[in-house]
Formats: sequence, C-alpha cells, structure tokens
Amino acid sequence: DAGVTQSPTHLIKTRGQQVTLRCSPISGHKSVSWYQQVLGQGPQFIFQYYEKEERGRGNFPDRFSARQFPNYSSELNVNALLLGDSALYLCASSLAGSELNEQFFGPGTRLTVL
Amino acid sequence: KNEVEQSPQNLTAQEGEFITINCSYSVGISALHWLQQHPGGGIVSLFMLSSGKKKHGRLIATINIQEKHSSLHITASHPRDSAVYICAVWHNTDKLIFGTGTRLQVFP
Repeated sequence: DAGVTQSPTHLIKTRGQQVTLRCSPISGHKSVSWYQQVLGQGPQFIFQYYEKEERGRGNFPDRFSARQFPNYSSELNVNALLLGDSALYLCASSLAGSELNEQFFGPGTRLTVL
Repeated sequence: KNEVEQSPQNLTAQEGEFITINCSYSVGISALHWLQQHPGGGIVSLFMLSSGKKKHGRLIATINIQEKHSSLHITASHPRDSAVYICAVWHNTDKLIFGTGTRLQVFP
C-alpha cells in the first residue's frame, strides 16, 4: 500500500510568485496536516484538515491557504512568496486527525525562493 | 522559551553505546510522538505514547506526565541509527508542537 505522497519533490520560485503543493494521504486516511520545516529547526504546524473541513491553523499569515478534496487529497497554496518561505513542506495523514491517531509523514516538498 | 525542549542538541556515540535523548514540554498534552528524520527530510513515526513506556526492538520510549518529560533510549546503537530524533506533543488536540530535534551520529 502506498504511503503519503507529495508533489513536487523540489521547487524553485522567485519572490512574489505563488506556489501550490500537493499531498495524497494513505488510502483510508481522512485527515491531512501541513507543516513547514525551516533548515535546522523542527517542523511548525500550518494547517489540519479533516473531512474537508479546516480543524486547526497555526501561526502563519493569510498568504498561506489550503484545502482538502473529496478524495481527501490536499493542496497547500502560498501567495506572494518571500525568501523566508524557503523550507521543507511536510504533509502528514492520519485516520481521523485526533491525537489518538498516529501521523504518517510524506517525503516533503523542498521549496526554494530566490 | 520553546514549548518543547530537547537535549542534547547534538550527540555522537560509538557503535554499541546506550543512548538517551530527553524531551521536556511546558504545555498540557494528550499524547507525545517520537519521530526520526533522515537526511533528505523523510520523517518516520517511532512511538506515540500518552503514559508509561513502549518498546520496539532496540528503541524504548518513556513518558512521565507529572514531570512533563519523556526520554527515548536506543540500546546497542548502530551507525544506521544516525538521524535527527524529534519529540512532538499534541496540544489542545488539534496541533502537534515539535522540538528542534537531536542530531545523533553513531560511529563504527
């Protein structure tokens, strides 16, 4: 069975551009969470979606948005990119999104903003 | 001060040594994860625990809810254990808060 998949694996953008990152959860998982990991730091929570509804949002500006589709896949959008948005963006899926469910992480998308 | 603190930040060991990585947190939690991250970014969940102790192979994780502290132990360490180990806690049931990680290098 396939694990969590993310696309693209690497991406280079320039300041001011917009980017869309994609995540496909493990089959049967209904919750997807997004995290940003800046080099040398631990991941930071951005969003959690469960059953297509936003369940949680971290301390990120409105330039960051996300959505979850009926097949439970998810997209993370970042507008007006800044140099500081350069990071590894991780997606994780779980069965139901509660603290009782183990999260399974994808390989990440490495975004570089020039 | 970070809500989740790990120590040490960096750790080197000789193959076969017993290793302990510590995690302290300052918020109320419902569960705690230990995660392993290899170069390139992929994260693997090692343990999720809310009380007591769990063991998987050479890995042991313990948590003391009263003291807000958890430890990850690796027995008979091996070079393939070299990775970044991250502690993360579930806070308010809707988000994971991560520590900054402990970089472990095990030399043959």
